[in-house]
Amino acid sequence: DQQVKQNSPSLSVQEGRISILNCDYTNSMFDYFLWYKKYPAEGPTFLISISSIKDKNEDGRFTVFLNKSAKHLSLHIVPSQPGDSAVYFCAAPDNSGNTPLVFGKGTRLSVIA
Amino acid sequence: KAGVTQTPRYLIKTRGQQVTLSCSPISGHRSVSWYQQTPGQGLQFLFEYFSETQRNKGNFPGRFSGRQFSNSRSEMNVSTLELGDSALYLCASSLGSTGSGYEQYFGPGTRLTVT
Repeated sequence: DQQVKQNSPSLSVQEGRISILNCDYTNSMFDYFLWYKKYPAEGPTFLISISSIKDKNEDGRFTVFLNKSAKHLSLHIVPSQPGDSAVYFCAAPDNSGNTPLVFGKGTRLSVIA
Repeated sequence: KAGVTQTPRYLIKTRGQQVTLSCSPISGHRSVSWYQQTPGQGLQFLFEYFSETQRNKGNFPGRFSGRQFSNSRSEMNVSTLELGDSALYLCASSLGSTGSGYEQYFGPGTRLTVT
C-alpha cells in the first residue's frame, strides 16, 4: 500500500503562471516531508522540505504547504519557468525504520513557453 | 563538499551476466541507499546501509545485494541479469539520523541496459 501518493502523473502549465503539485500521505506518524526534482538521466535533487510543526515553508519561487488534518501537502512554484520542467517527487522519512525515505511515484511538470 | 559519485555512468550487459555498481557518498554521510528507477515506476527502494550494516531492505529478489565499506563507500551487485533489470540505479547518501538528517542527496545514477 502506497504511503505517499501523487495522484497526478503529469501537469502542464504556461510559463509565468503558478504550478501546484499535490501529494497525499496515509501515515499519520510522518513528521517531515521533502520535495525532490528530477531531470532525465540525472539523480533527484533536493528542493525543499517542511516539518510537521509548520504549515508553510518558502524558498524563493518554491513554497510547500502542509495540511496535517487532511494529510496533504502541495508544492507551489511561482512564477513557473521552462527550466522547472522535470519530474517532482514527494517523500517522507519512514520513522518506523522500514525504508529511509518513502517516495511518491512523481508528477511530470511541463512548463510551456 | 563533493557530491555523491557513482561509477560507471553507463553499462551494457548481457542476460545472465553479473554487474557491480559503485557509490561514494558525501564526506561525513554514513547512510547509503540504493534505488531502482524504471519508466513509470518512480523510485523503488533496494536497500540501505549504515555503518557497514544493511539497515533496511526493499522487496527485491536475492539476486540484488550490496555492501558498505568502512569509508562508507558502497557497492551493489546484481547477479544473473534479466532484461527487466534494465533501469537507472540511483545511490543516495544522508547523515542517516532523524528529521532533516534524512535528507538524501542523490548521485547521477548508473544507467544499466541488459540485452
